[in-house]
Amino acid sequence: DAGITQSPRYKITETGRQVTLMCHQTWSHSYMFWYRQDLGHGLRLIYYSAAADITDKGEVPDGYVVSRSKTENFPLTLESATRSQTSVYFCASLGLAGGQETQYFGPGTRLLVL
Amino acid sequence: DQQVKQNSPSLSVQEGRISILNCDYTNSMFDYFLWYKKYPAEGPTFLISISSIKDKNEDGRFTVFLNKSAKHLSLHIVPSQPGDSAVYFCAARDRGSTLGRLYFGRGTQLTVWP
Repeated sequence: DAGITQSPRYKITETGRQVTLMCHQTWSHSYMFWYRQDLGHGLRLIYYSAAADITDKGEVPDGYVVSRSKTENFPLTLESATRSQTSVYFCASLGLAGGQETQYFGPGTRLLVL
Repeated sequence: DQQVKQNSPSLSVQEGRISILNCDYTNSMFDYFLWYKKYPAEGPTFLISISSIKDKNEDGRFTVFLNKSAKHLSLHIVPSQPGDSAVYFCAARDRGSTLGRLYFGRGTQLTVWP
């Protein structure tokens, strides 16, 4: 599928388990981002990546790990899930719209940590 | 510390009338502003943007106004349609920060009723 996809779309896990959320884009965009959306907080940046093997922390990186071995993939791993990580996670990549940069978002992964 | 603020969590408007969504920001380094629309169970989609060198940008029923002295922007939707019912996020780019990084407000839920 063209565009940006995320998997799984829904995930239930238990506290302490490791979980990996996948993100794949077909545009070969260099920049990619991970956000979480929580009620009352809007979209908060977790990590971002400027290119393969280049990543950096955003506003709320604690408890998360990312990797970027290939340009098109940007997985997000919760090493030991906690209830506070229950959220909706969005992946995005940076492209052009009307000559200006904008971020294109995936459909999201809804994660529930029990 | 929220650099982009949407102080109205919700707005209800009758079909055919104007919807005005507001956004305030605190960072004078922001040079580019965007509005995203989000339907339930989907990722945010880009709607319209404006550069800080302009004070107005129009695209069909959507117009964004920027008042730099007041650090305020607004999105006008005329006429409003039931399909416009969604969460609207205001976002801003800091010209001094990482390429493509955006700062988001908490969103405003717009409901357009028949």
